[in-house]
Amino acid sequence: NAGVTQTPKFRILKIGQSMTLQCAQDMNHNYMYWYRQDPGMGLKLIYYSVGAGITDKGEVPNGYNVSRSTTEDFPLRLELAAPSQTSVYFCASSWTGDDGYTFGSGTRLTVV
Amino acid sequence: RKEVEQDPGPFNVPEGATVAFNCTYSNSASQSFFWYRQDCRKEPKLLMSVYSSGNEDGRFTAQLNRASQYISLLIRDSKLSDSATYLCVVNHNYGQNFVFGPGTRLSVLP
Repeated sequence: NAGVTQTPKFRILKIGQSMTLQCAQDMNHNYMYWYRQDPGMGLKLIYYSVGAGITDKGEVPNGYNVSRSTTEDFPLRLELAAPSQTSVYFCASSWTGDDGYTFGSGTRLTVV
Repeated sequence: RKEVEQDPGPFNVPEGATVAFNCTYSNSASQSFFWYRQDCRKEPKLLMSVYSSGNEDGRFTAQLNRASQYISLLIRDSKLSDSATYLCVVNHNYGQNFVFGPGTRLSVLP
């Protein structure tokens, strides 16, 4: 049972480039989330999904997009990368939305 | 006022010590409460949920005070392996948004 799998683990982007962070879970969880974590700060919610075909903005959605075509996958798209998007990105999933999260191991992104 | 605030760290304690962390939250409608543990350069992992009646898991005890809007985590007989950052998490909008505190760093010293 893999849990929540994120790829890649590390990436360096140049300003203006685009990329997709992949997230997959094999627990049949309905709820999935993307967070970013900056040094010394709490996790900030970027986008979330309560089921396939349904997504919604979190606290810091600007510069990102998501899709949820299947229960398992929840990719995060960065368009026109900016240095302010340098961060660690965590994907998480939850069964009921109120039972605590299972996190992926994170993607460390640097935009230069 | 921030939605979730935690004791500033770091807490440096000797092995065997008892240490307590507090966390305050601003939204009185908050429904669910959790403590997560995050090791350096790793993902957060659920440590324990916090129930209204309080709950205990081995050396860890969590308490909730709704009237004062704070939760606490007590660690007894600290181990070196307890060294980590402890995140307070509050959910006030069912399923939609867990709000994470900035974390409190604990270092248990030999």
